[in-house]
Amino acid sequence: DVKVTQSSRYLVKRTGEKVFLECVQDMDHENMFWYRQDPGLGLRLIYFSYDVKMKEKGDIPEGYSVSREKKERFSLILESASTNQTSMYLCASSLGGGAVEQFFGPGTRLTVL
Amino acid sequence: QKEVEQNSGPLSVPEGAIASLNCTYSDRGSQSFFWYRQYSGKSPELIMFIYSNGDKEDGRFTAQLNKASQYVSLLIRDSQPSDSATYLCAVNGDSNYQLIWGAGTKLIIKP
Repeated sequence: DVKVTQSSRYLVKRTGEKVFLECVQDMDHENMFWYRQDPGLGLRLIYFSYDVKMKEKGDIPEGYSVSREKKERFSLILESASTNQTSMYLCASSLGGGAVEQFFGPGTRLTVL
Repeated sequence: QKEVEQNSGPLSVPEGAIASLNCTYSDRGSQSFFWYRQYSGKSPELIMFIYSNGDKEDGRFTAQLNKASQYVSLLIRDSQPSDSATYLCAVNGDSNYQLIWGAGTKLIIKP
């Protein structure tokens, strides 16, 4: 079974802090994704990566950056956290090579005060 | 811009009945269709996927594609209270990577 893990289940940060969310997958998947999920807005793609050191902006990249230095690890960075970034953050991965089904980590509920 | 639409619900179904969830998609060229289940406070879990070549049955779950009308359905037979969740529909995007997501339908199975 694919296992996607995220560094924290719950996180509380203050406005202006730099926040790191980490995601690790153990199935040698090519693609990794960061989403945020808010009530009534569904899943919104922040960034994705299709290879080591490669990244692409999703629908809502503003205020976020990402890093993928190793194939199994994909980090989401909030450079200066703001209250409107309070959300559930979900990491996902997919095998690639035409296999697009995504597998999710448990999520990180981030609260910015 | 490709879109996937779902009725947000809630859809209330008696225990033991068939729950029918629908999802419409905008791109006639879409070829891969996915159903995810998400319990409250948890992350989405893949339960079914089908390709444009046919329907699929897996236990109590059946996914059906209507290409002419551009919608995909998820049928849950013998609904159980444990099926109460939000069901997300996703369709392949333009690239080999992305999925286009519906906002989800909340399903409530009443004992």
